[in-house]
Amino acid sequence: QQQVKQSPQSLIVQKGGISIINCAYENTAFDYFPWYQQFPGKGPALLIAIRPDVSEKKEGRFTISFNKSAKQFSLHIMDSQPGDSATYFCAASPYSTDKLIFGTGTRLQVFP
Amino acid sequence: DAGITQSPRHKVTETGTPVTLRCHQTENHRYMYWYRQDPGHGLRLIHYSYGVKDTDKGEVSDGYSVSRSKTEDFLLTLESATSSQTSVYFCAISDPPGLGYTFGSGTRLTVV
Repeated sequence: QQQVKQSPQSLIVQKGGISIINCAYENTAFDYFPWYQQFPGKGPALLIAIRPDVSEKKEGRFTISFNKSAKQFSLHIMDSQPGDSATYFCAASPYSTDKLIFGTGTRLQVFP
Repeated sequence: DAGITQSPRHKVTETGTPVTLRCHQTENHRYMYWYRQDPGHGLRLIHYSYGVKDTDKGEVSDGYSVSRSKTEDFLLTLESATSSQTSVYFCAISDPPGLGYTFGSGTRLTVV
């Protein structure tokens, strides 16, 4: 079962543009929503995370927007750079269990 | 990745043979997880552990077993490898919940 749906599957953005990746979840017990970044040949690494008591969280060029009523959250990458080219995964879990369910991933390519 | 190592990094095995993958951590984290990564499926949880001798099944546990006799080691065993188990396997650790996972570098397993 796909409890976390992620789109798009791939994304091509010009350097300096905004990259947007969307996720939707079904389980209302989820209350922890991280994003992971993965480079080829490496394990995923935590990028940024949010809990549902806030609607937005920003860290540098990366922002999570969260819509609890719609059960959706998204990652915005401002001023996208070629070094941001990677695969991005959204995930969700009940905070207490820390047992993450991942989306299917988005391959981002940023061209100079 | 610092504090977590997976072995082997690559393995080719024949259908029907047993295979054991090892995850070793030096962070003294309680929580450990095994995921498999496949194109179009993202990361799917196989088994997880909340402590020594405390393990449970994830969403894709059929054909896999785990053991955790020491805090630092979490072993994943494919009892009789099949071609459908060809994948990249990632181990992750966390403690306490909500601070994100640290992933290992992965094991690429090919079953021929």
